[in-house]
Amino acid sequence: AQSVTQLGSHVSVSEGALVLLRCNYSSSVPPYLFWYVQYPNQGLQLLLKYTTGATLVKGINGFEAEFKKSETSFHLTKPSAHMSDAAEYFCAVTINPNFGNEKLTFGTGTRLTIIP
Amino acid sequence: DAGITQSPRYKITETGRQVTLMCHQTWSHSYMFWYRQDLGHGLRLIYYSAAADITDKGEVPDGYVVSRSKTENFPLTLESATRSQTSVYFCASSESITPSPLHFGNGTRLTVT
Repeated sequence: AQSVTQLGSHVSVSEGALVLLRCNYSSSVPPYLFWYVQYPNQGLQLLLKYTTGATLVKGINGFEAEFKKSETSFHLTKPSAHMSDAAEYFCAVTINPNFGNEKLTFGTGTRLTIIP
Repeated sequence: DAGITQSPRYKITETGRQVTLMCHQTWSHSYMFWYRQDLGHGLRLIYYSAAADITDKGEVPDGYVVSRSKTENFPLTLESATRSQTSVYFCASSESITPSPLHFGNGTRLTVT
């Protein structure tokens, strides 16, 4: 079985400050990991994903995440927050091989607020 | 424009009524999905479809019915709406069984009174 935990349902950071959103997963086999972002009144869109290979993955809008197997974590970071980053962020996990999005498990989300 | 369209955006219905939420995609993606989003639960999969005429249950299928007679359409029907089905519903599509990105619609906010 797989699961994902997002620590902190709400995170506030000042504009220009570091953004750190935490995600820990539980999986008995190597996982595929994702971060999705949801802007107000919109559907989710993919920020970045880790499948295999390089453990530091870069996504859109300056976000990146690092897969740390020893810590079972996939935290999302951005060096300098921008007002437009205000949104809800979802971490998701699925196990490989041969499983697709029907097996994707989402976390409960973290709402990011940017303070001017 | 290419994309995934959900209708209606907002719907208010009464307990016991049947309601259908529509989803249409223009990418010809083989996979389509219905999720519900509730505070504290994230997104939970209701039903999915791997191709036309192939559907399967997700995590929370009770009280819902789906069909997929055409690749581009994937309607979700609440046969007899209950207040616990008040939620935001998202339709999504993806290209293949390997974890390719999900593409989401903008959602339908359903209120059951």
